[in-house]
Amino acid sequence: EPEVTQTPSHQVTQMGQEVILRCVPISNHLYFYWYRQILGQKVEFLVSFYNNEISEKSEIFDDQFSVERPDGSNFTLKIRSTKLEDSAMYFCASKADRSTDTQYFGPGTRLTVL
Amino acid sequence: SQKIEQNSEALNIQEGKTATLTCNYTNYSPAYLQWYRQDPGRGPVFLLLIRENEKEKRKERLKVTFDTTLKQSLFHITASQPADSATYLCALDPSTGANNLFFGTGTRLTVIP
Repeated sequence: EPEVTQTPSHQVTQMGQEVILRCVPISNHLYFYWYRQILGQKVEFLVSFYNNEISEKSEIFDDQFSVERPDGSNFTLKIRSTKLEDSAMYFCASKADRSTDTQYFGPGTRLTVL
Repeated sequence: SQKIEQNSEALNIQEGKTATLTCNYTNYSPAYLQWYRQDPGRGPVFLLLIRENEKEKRKERLKVTFDTTLKQSLFHITASQPADSATYLCALDPSTGANNLFFGTGTRLTVIP
């Protein structure tokens, strides 16, 4: 069964450094998302992406964040200058098309900012 | 303000019994609601989706109801097993045809053998 994959599974970085989290959505899916989950808290929407542009973004997704689909398979989330409060699990998700509603999530990347 | 609340943070039940989890929302008019399972350190796994015009949906031992008047969804696991122990999340799309999901805080279910 097709799956969303994410790399790395765990990323440790120093405050102020840039990180790139990578995702490979399910093949032929058209809608892509990033969510985050701070330890012990709920899953929070960050951004959605369709047709090579951002569809929606939350208040969390400020100028420090950016997303890109550099090729036909990868979908990346970049944090330009990490803060301690960026430490969280980051989940990528994908959805087949506009007529379907189910999003499929990846296993997540645990980001630790020291 | 908009809220999605799941009735209890943790629920313990005996193996074989039916687990019932509640999701209440305020100030949303979702076209559908979804339930996900999340195991520790893992991503949410989709279980069921129920639309606003559906009262009930079933999949194997799972059943979901959706009452748009009460603004509530109930999630049932019948004949529960220890392997059902996980956190269950409800999620809704706040706007028709939009893309993002808003999640509740989850209920951690423990099925005791």
